[in-house]
Amino acid sequence: DAKTTQPNSMESNEEEPVHLPCNHSTISGTDYIHWYRQLPSQGPEYVIHGLTSNVNNRMASLAIAEDRKSSTLILHRATLRDAAVYYCILYGGSQGNLIFGKGTKLSVKP
Amino acid sequence: EAQVTQNPRYLITVTGKKLTVTCSQNMNHEYMSWYRQDPGLGLRQIYYSMNVEVTDKGDVPEGYKVSRKEKRNFPLILESPSPNQTSLYFCASSRLTGRDRAFFGQGTRLTVV
Repeated sequence: DAKTTQPNSMESNEEEPVHLPCNHSTISGTDYIHWYRQLPSQGPEYVIHGLTSNVNNRMASLAIAEDRKSSTLILHRATLRDAAVYYCILYGGSQGNLIFGKGTKLSVKP
Repeated sequence: EAQVTQNPRYLITVTGKKLTVTCSQNMNHEYMSWYRQDPGLGLRQIYYSMNVEVTDKGDVPEGYKVSRKEKRNFPLILESPSPNQTSLYFCASSRLTGRDRAFFGQGTRLTVV
């Protein structure tokens, strides 16, 4: 199974941009890159996903490297409510199972 | 509204008393999955299904059963619950292609005493 590698934790200051990296060097051409987050005591929440091109939505942006071996989730202005565990997951294509790794725990300081 | 519905949200039961946690989705998704979450251990997959009558074990299937008789439903069955199955459970559904996002239920907090 293609896997992803994320830092265990990151810190950010409130109202500053946050760049959460994810490496996926064995990604196949049909694997989508999904990002979900989990706030304390809540279920997983969809953030964004993409295949090749960069993607933007109201929550975040997803920057995908040209070779697709890495991607970066960008929160443009972190708020205290963005403190969560962020999961980068390869899904679809060769990855027919939605598996959560350890993710990155994001702390946001006021 | 597209959604995954889990029931019940909270359940306290006794050891050995069979129970079923239901999961239903209204999006005609092929893929459904169950996870449990324990403090410090993240989301661990119990079972998943890629279509009707197709189920497979995840990382922690012991003590659980599932069935997928209809596309919309994927119940999680605990034939003889034990205290170590006290946990927070989540159900998810998605298309298999990965082209669309996955949806998650609100969770079921199970306590086995």
